[in-house]
Amino acid sequence: QVQLQESGPGLVKSSETLSLSCTLSGSAVTSYYWSWVRQPPGKALEWIGYVYYTGSTSYNPSLKSRVTISLDTSKQQFSLKLTSVTAADTAVYYCARGYCSSVVCPQGHYFDYWGQGNLVTVSS
Amino acid sequence: QSVLTQPPSASGAPGQRVTTSCSGSSSNIGNNYVHWYQQLPGTAPKLLIYRNSQRPSGVPDRFSGSKSGTSASLAISGLRSEDEGDYYCSTWDDSLGGPVFGDGTKLTVL
Repeated sequence: QVQLQESGPGLVKSSETLSLSCTLSGSAVTSYYWSWVRQPPGKALEWIGYVYYTGSTSYNPSLKSRVTISLDTSKQQFSLKLTSVTAADTAVYYCARGYCSSVVCPQGHYFDYWGQGNLVTVSS
Repeated sequence: QSVLTQPPSASGAPGQRVTTSCSGSSSNIGNNYVHWYQQLPGTAPKLLIYRNSQRPSGVPDRFSGSKSGTSASLAISGLRSEDEGDYYCSTWDDSLGGPVFGDGTKLTVL
């Protein structure tokens, strides 16, 4: 059974760096887009970015200058770093597995498994 | 405000059929597959429909999806109280260069 589990601090100070990890189980690393999605309280989902199993990355342009997503295949983990956080970055952060079952990838990929979410609050 | 427009709310009585829409443009829905996610209160999103109309294993056939042009729809028949939650459409946006989500539709079972 595929499982994803986020871990990291629930409180980060303004202007500092938010760091989260996602541990995979029950899934190979290859052929997937390992992704981060966030959801501010009471608001909609927002794609942050992904790291493909090859190590290539893609980020939401609105966050690109502050985001780094990396993959450690030996640990079956991938990580998110978001620098210079503000209150606007307060959200539940989800890790998710992106799967592309069509011939057009990455455009056709969707998120078939999600972690349970990690609420991160940015404090001043 | 998302580039995908969803009605903020929908409702229906148990047993009824309810539909909700997702409207986009040629740079997203018009050129890519649409996927739907169900988010029950206090839980993580769950894949409900992928590639416009495909159901993952374990999703009841009460849930169905369709796409036409730059819009997509999700239909839920035989509505149940446990269907209450938020429903998000998602697709790739060619301008963004990544996936986008709608603002979600909150479904209430009366």
